Amino acid sequence: GESVGLHLPTLSVQEGDNSIINCAYSNSASDYFIWYKQESGKGPQFIIDIRSNMDKRQGQRVTVLLNKTVKHLSLQIAATQPGDSAVYFCAENSGGSNYKLTFGKGTLLTVNP
Amino acid sequence: GAGVSQSPSNKVTEKGKDVELRCDPISGHTALYWYRQSLGQGLEFLIYFQGNSAPDKSGLPSDRFSAERTGGSVSTLTIQRTQQEDSAVYLCASSLAGGQGLYGYTFGSGTRLTVV
Repeated sequence: GESVGLHLPTLSVQEGDNSIINCAYSNSASDYFIWYKQESGKGPQFIIDIRSNMDKRQGQRVTVLLNKTVKHLSLQIAATQPGDSAVYFCAENSGGSNYKLTFGKGTLLTVNP
Repeated sequence: GAGVSQSPSNKVTEKGKDVELRCDPISGHTALYWYRQSLGQGLEFLIYFQGNSAPDKSGLPSDRFSAERTGGSVSTLTIQRTQQEDSAVYLCASSLAGGQGLYGYTFGSGTRLTVV
Protein backbone atom coordinates (compact mmCIF):
# COMPACT_ATOMS: atom_id res chain seq x y z
CA GLY A 1 0.00 0.00 0.00
CA GLU A 2 0.98 3.64 -0.17
CA SER A 3 2.62 5.48 2.67
CA VAL A 4 0.82 8.56 3.84
CA GLY A 5 2.57 11.70 4.97
CA LEU A 6 1.94 15.41 5.07
CA HIS A 7 5.56 16.42 4.53
CA LEU A 8 6.98 16.37 1.07
CA PRO A 9 10.59 15.35 0.50
CA THR A 10 12.51 18.52 -0.20
CA LEU A 11 15.59 19.35 -2.22
CA SER A 12 17.32 22.69 -1.90
CA VAL A 13 19.98 23.66 -4.45
CA GLN A 14 21.93 26.71 -5.49
CA GLU A 15 21.16 28.39 -8.77
CA GLY A 16 23.34 26.92 -11.48
CA ASP A 17 23.78 23.55 -9.77
CA ASN A 18 22.39 20.33 -11.19
CA SER A 19 19.39 18.78 -9.45
CA ILE A 20 18.45 15.14 -9.21
CA ILE A 21 14.97 14.15 -8.10
CA ASN A 22 14.25 10.50 -7.44
CA CYS A 23 11.11 8.42 -7.53
CA ALA A 24 10.28 4.80 -6.81
CA TYR A 25 7.35 3.51 -8.79
CA SER A 26 5.06 0.78 -7.62
CA ASN A 27 3.92 -1.44 -10.49
CA SER A 28 6.33 -3.52 -12.54
CA ALA A 29 3.70 -3.75 -15.30
CA SER A 30 3.73 0.02 -15.84
CA ASP A 31 5.41 0.85 -19.14
CA TYR A 32 5.11 4.59 -19.50
CA PHE A 33 6.38 7.22 -17.11
CA ILE A 34 6.01 10.97 -16.93
CA TRP A 35 7.56 13.72 -14.88
CA TYR A 36 5.36 16.68 -14.01
CA LYS A 37 6.16 20.08 -12.52
CA GLN A 38 3.55 21.77 -10.34
CA GLU A 39 3.86 25.40 -9.33
CA SER A 40 1.78 26.86 -6.56
CA GLY A 41 -1.86 27.32 -7.57
CA LYS A 42 -1.42 25.56 -10.90
CA GLY A 43 -2.05 22.13 -12.29
CA PRO A 44 0.77 19.68 -13.08
CA GLN A 45 2.71 20.58 -16.20
CA PHE A 46 4.32 17.91 -18.41
CA ILE A 47 8.11 17.96 -18.41
CA ILE A 48 9.33 14.76 -20.02
CA ASP A 49 8.24 11.18 -20.53
CA ILE A 50 9.89 7.84 -21.13
CA ARG A 51 8.74 4.42 -22.25
CA SER A 52 9.91 1.23 -20.60
CA ASN A 53 11.89 0.16 -23.65
CA MET A 54 14.29 3.03 -22.95
CA ASP A 55 16.53 3.71 -19.97
CA LYS A 56 17.35 7.34 -20.70
CA ARG A 57 15.74 10.24 -22.46
CA GLN A 58 16.93 13.82 -22.75
CA GLY A 59 15.07 17.04 -23.20
CA GLN A 60 16.03 20.63 -22.88
CA ARG A 61 18.02 20.84 -19.60
CA VAL A 62 16.24 17.74 -18.33
CA THR A 63 17.09 14.05 -18.45
CA VAL A 64 14.99 11.16 -17.22
CA LEU A 65 16.60 7.87 -16.23
CA LEU A 66 14.65 4.66 -15.80
CA ASN A 67 15.88 1.60 -13.93
CA LYS A 68 13.27 -1.12 -14.32
CA THR A 69 15.22 -3.62 -12.27
CA VAL A 70 14.71 -1.61 -9.08
CA LYS A 71 11.63 0.30 -10.27
CA HIS A 72 13.36 3.63 -10.00
CA LEU A 73 12.99 6.81 -11.97
CA SER A 74 15.03 9.98 -11.72
CA LEU A 75 14.81 13.47 -13.15
CA GLN A 76 17.97 15.45 -13.67
CA ILE A 77 17.77 19.19 -14.18
CA ALA A 78 20.89 20.86 -15.47
CA ALA A 79 21.89 24.38 -14.44
CA THR A 80 18.91 24.76 -12.14
CA GLN A 81 17.22 28.17 -12.24
CA PRO A 82 14.93 29.92 -9.73
CA GLY A 83 12.04 29.32 -12.12
CA ASP A 84 12.54 25.59 -11.60
CA SER A 85 11.34 25.91 -8.01
CA ALA A 86 8.19 23.78 -7.78
CA VAL A 87 6.89 20.39 -6.70
CA TYR A 88 7.93 17.59 -9.05
CA PHE A 89 5.86 14.42 -9.45
CA CYS A 90 6.61 11.21 -11.21
CA ALA A 91 3.68 9.31 -12.66
CA GLU A 92 3.30 5.81 -14.10
CA ASN A 93 0.58 4.43 -16.32
CA SER A 94 -0.95 2.25 -13.65
CA GLY A 95 0.08 -1.29 -14.51
CA GLY A 96 0.12 -0.56 -18.23
CA SER A 97 -3.13 1.36 -18.34
CA ASN A 98 -3.76 3.44 -21.45
CA TYR A 99 -5.59 6.14 -19.52
CA LYS A 100 -4.91 6.06 -15.76
CA LEU A 101 -1.89 7.59 -14.06
CA THR A 102 -0.59 6.74 -10.60
CA PHE A 103 1.36 9.58 -9.06
CA GLY A 104 4.16 9.63 -6.55
CA LYS A 105 3.91 11.99 -3.61
CA GLY A 106 6.14 14.66 -5.05
CA THR A 107 9.39 16.42 -4.20
CA LEU A 108 9.63 20.12 -3.41
CA LEU A 109 12.57 21.70 -5.22
CA THR A 110 13.77 25.05 -3.94
CA VAL A 111 16.39 26.93 -5.92
CA ASN A 112 18.34 29.54 -4.01
CA PRO A 113 19.65 32.51 -6.00
CA GLY B 1 -10.00 26.53 -25.77
CA ALA B 2 -6.25 26.73 -25.50
CA GLY B 3 -6.09 24.81 -22.25
CA VAL B 4 -8.19 22.91 -19.77
CA SER B 5 -10.42 25.35 -17.92
CA GLN B 6 -11.86 24.66 -14.47
CA SER B 7 -14.35 26.65 -12.45
CA PRO B 8 -14.61 27.88 -9.85
CA SER B 9 -10.94 28.19 -8.97
CA ASN B 10 -11.83 28.29 -5.28
CA LYS B 11 -14.92 27.12 -3.45
CA VAL B 12 -15.70 27.33 0.23
CA THR B 13 -18.79 25.45 1.31
CA GLU B 14 -20.47 24.45 4.51
CA LYS B 15 -20.47 20.85 5.61
CA GLY B 16 -23.52 19.06 4.29
CA LYS B 17 -23.99 21.27 1.22
CA ASP B 18 -23.72 20.02 -2.35
CA VAL B 19 -21.11 21.41 -4.74
CA GLU B 20 -20.58 21.25 -8.48
CA LEU B 21 -17.18 21.59 -10.09
CA ARG B 22 -16.86 22.25 -13.78
CA CYS B 23 -14.25 21.24 -16.34
CA ASP B 24 -13.98 22.47 -19.90
CA PRO B 25 -11.43 20.32 -21.74
CA ILE B 26 -9.23 21.20 -24.67
CA SER B 27 -11.27 21.31 -27.85
CA GLY B 28 -11.12 17.99 -29.65
CA HIS B 29 -9.93 16.01 -26.64
CA THR B 30 -12.23 13.02 -26.33
CA ALA B 31 -10.80 11.70 -23.07
CA LEU B 32 -11.37 13.52 -19.80
CA TYR B 33 -10.17 12.68 -16.30
CA TRP B 34 -10.78 13.87 -12.76
CA TYR B 35 -8.12 13.61 -10.06
CA ARG B 36 -8.04 14.75 -6.47
CA GLN B 37 -5.03 16.21 -4.70
CA SER B 38 -5.14 16.39 -0.92
CA LEU B 39 -2.73 18.56 1.07
CA GLY B 40 0.83 17.37 0.57
CA GLN B 41 -0.23 14.35 -1.43
CA GLY B 42 0.11 13.17 -4.96
CA LEU B 43 -2.83 13.03 -7.29
CA GLU B 44 -5.48 10.39 -6.82
CA PHE B 45 -7.48 9.14 -9.84
CA LEU B 46 -11.25 9.56 -9.57
CA ILE B 47 -12.90 8.91 -12.94
CA TYR B 48 -12.22 8.63 -16.67
CA PHE B 49 -14.53 9.64 -19.51
CA GLN B 50 -14.23 8.57 -23.12
CA GLY B 51 -16.74 10.75 -24.92
CA ASN B 52 -19.81 10.93 -22.70
CA SER B 53 -19.39 7.52 -21.13
CA ALA B 54 -17.33 6.70 -18.05
CA PRO B 55 -15.64 3.32 -18.46
CA ASP B 56 -13.80 3.71 -15.16
CA LYS B 57 -15.39 5.24 -12.08
CA SER B 58 -13.33 3.16 -9.69
CA GLY B 59 -11.65 6.09 -7.99
CA LEU B 60 -14.80 7.85 -6.79
CA PRO B 61 -14.47 7.70 -2.97
CA SER B 62 -18.14 7.21 -2.13
CA ASP B 63 -21.64 7.39 -3.59
CA ARG B 64 -21.71 11.08 -2.63
CA PHE B 65 -19.44 11.67 -5.62
CA SER B 66 -20.75 11.61 -9.18
CA ALA B 67 -19.69 13.02 -12.51
CA GLU B 68 -21.18 13.50 -15.90
CA ARG B 69 -20.08 14.71 -19.26
CA THR B 70 -22.34 16.08 -21.96
CA GLY B 71 -21.76 16.68 -25.64
CA GLY B 72 -18.37 15.05 -25.38
CA SER B 73 -17.09 18.26 -23.87
CA VAL B 74 -17.84 19.87 -20.52
CA SER B 75 -17.82 17.69 -17.41
CA THR B 76 -19.28 18.33 -13.98
CA LEU B 77 -18.12 16.65 -10.79
CA THR B 78 -20.77 16.77 -8.08
CA ILE B 79 -20.17 16.14 -4.40
CA GLN B 80 -23.30 15.74 -2.30
CA ARG B 81 -23.50 16.37 1.43
CA THR B 82 -19.90 17.53 1.58
CA GLN B 83 -17.69 16.46 4.45
CA GLN B 84 -14.52 18.06 5.75
CA GLU B 85 -12.42 15.21 4.36
CA ASP B 86 -13.59 16.25 0.88
CA SER B 87 -11.43 19.37 1.17
CA ALA B 88 -8.81 19.09 -1.57
CA VAL B 89 -7.84 20.40 -4.97
CA TYR B 90 -9.86 18.74 -7.72
CA LEU B 91 -7.97 18.56 -10.98
CA CYS B 92 -9.34 17.84 -14.41
CA ALA B 93 -7.25 16.66 -17.36
CA SER B 94 -7.98 15.86 -20.96
CA SER B 95 -6.20 14.03 -23.75
CA LEU B 96 -6.75 13.26 -27.39
CA ALA B 97 -7.94 9.72 -26.83
CA GLY B 98 -7.61 7.48 -23.83
CA GLY B 99 -7.35 4.45 -26.03
CA GLN B 100 -4.21 5.77 -27.66
CA GLY B 101 -2.40 6.21 -24.44
CA LEU B 102 -1.58 9.20 -22.39
CA TYR B 103 -0.10 11.56 -24.93
CA GLY B 104 -1.11 15.14 -24.61
CA TYR B 105 -2.51 14.56 -21.11
CA THR B 106 -3.04 18.15 -20.00
CA PHE B 107 -4.22 19.33 -16.62
CA GLY B 108 -6.27 22.35 -15.66
CA SER B 109 -5.37 24.54 -12.68
CA GLY B 110 -7.89 22.85 -10.44
CA THR B 111 -10.66 23.84 -8.07
CA ARG B 112 -9.61 24.25 -4.45
CA LEU B 113 -12.52 23.02 -2.34
CA THR B 114 -12.68 23.87 1.34
CA VAL B 115 -15.44 22.40 3.46
CA VAL B 116 -16.00 24.27 6.74
